[in-house]
Amino acid sequence: QKEVEQNSGPLSVPEGAIASLNCTYSDRGSQSFFWYRQYSGKSPELIMFIYSNGDKEDGRFTAQLNKASQYVSLLIRDSQPSDSATYLCAVNPNNNDMRFGAGTRLTVKP
Amino acid sequence: NAGVMQNPRHLVRRRGQEARLRCSPMKGHSHVYWYRQLPEEGLKFMVYLQKENIIDESGMPKERFSAEFPKEGPSILRIQQVVRGDSAAYFCASSPQGPDLFYEQYFGPGTRLTVT
Repeated sequence: QKEVEQNSGPLSVPEGAIASLNCTYSDRGSQSFFWYRQYSGKSPELIMFIYSNGDKEDGRFTAQLNKASQYVSLLIRDSQPSDSATYLCAVNPNNNDMRFGAGTRLTVKP
Repeated sequence: NAGVMQNPRHLVRRRGQEARLRCSPMKGHSHVYWYRQLPEEGLKFMVYLQKENIIDESGMPKERFSAEFPKEGPSILRIQQVVRGDSAAYFCASSPQGPDLFYEQYFGPGTRLTVT
């Protein structure tokens, strides 16, 4: 089992819709969780981080964490074509390093 | 530019040569991480360093790869006797110093290594 799993996609949504990106992780002791956005040929850019169970909202983005289910998600409301990118889920299992999922490619169609 | 800096941005090496990648963390950050990303794949952790110390190198190949973060100057990822399979994007990230368990990593623009 991979440490961090994501659906590779591609996930396609129409402009204005809600995009839902999901991630599961294997290390039950993980305590911090991150979502990065990576445009093609560019470096990852931090979008959100979450530490506590529940929802965390920042603008059009909402991160959701359920530690009992070892599940973290990212919702993007009112999706825009500029949101088209690969979204990387990252988990910090031991304070020394970050484990990344392979990413989900999102396409927002105008 | 207060962000993480990496150079060179692009590096071409022939098989058997050495590749040296440099990373300067964000101002005020003393924790540096190196990742490798193959085309269409996720980021793979390689090594975590603090000034003059390697904290975790569990992701580093046992041979040909080494990393350092000296007291002065940038962090260096060195790949000796490169092979075609080393062609990838190498990203450096940094995080702020502190005792907190929780932190964010900020990425540099990456070095794209091509081995011919």
